[in-house]
Amino acid sequence: KQEVTQIPAALSVPEGENLVLNCSFTDSAIYNLQWFRQDPGKGLTSLLLIQSSQREQTSGRLNASLDKSSGRSTLYIAASQPGDSATYLCAAYTGANSKLTFGKGITLSVRP
Amino acid sequence: KAGVTQTPRYLIKTRGQQVTLSCSPISGHRSVSWYQQTPGQGLQFLFEYFSETQRNKGNFPGRFSGRQFSNSRSEMNVSTLELGDSALYLCASSSGSVGETQYFGPGTRLLVL
Repeated sequence: KQEVTQIPAALSVPEGENLVLNCSFTDSAIYNLQWFRQDPGKGLTSLLLIQSSQREQTSGRLNASLDKSSGRSTLYIAASQPGDSATYLCAAYTGANSKLTFGKGITLSVRP
Repeated sequence: KAGVTQTPRYLIKTRGQQVTLSCSPISGHRSVSWYQQTPGQGLQFLFEYFSETQRNKGNFPGRFSGRQFSNSRSEMNVSTLELGDSALYLCASSSGSVGETQYFGPGTRLLVL
């Protein structure tokens, strides 16, 4: 059974700092790993999707990496801004049952 | 393209009642998945429908059911509501191909009193 862990549960940083959010998963037989952003009371916005054959994906100030062998993914946010404050969730897609298994998320607060 | 829409956005029900939530996927998408999000358990997979057939199911009791129509719109039904069913219910649509990005709707927030 796939389990996805995100530690810490919350993080507070000053504006402008570069930061790394961690995600670990127990079953390396994944199709892909996705990172989502969720604003309070809202749905999920897909940020980056890394296929199992890829090592990283980039979009603007965001860079996500994937190491299947160690069961880890990281989301790097460069030059953080107050608008980046949200909850960031990672999810592992297991093809066997076509479902996303989510971590519980990291709530990020970027202080002006 | 219009995004995933969910109706209603908010619902208040009492224990024992039943509720139906609706999800309209992105045009052309044939897969709809449902998730329950609570503070304690996080996001948990309920089920997935593809071309009007339930393709996958999570570990939820039979009180949770769903269906999909020929236009890919999906409904989720919860019967005999319990206090613990209070949650944000999210649906996600995709093309249905394995590993494709899932696009989430804004969710329906259900409060059971």
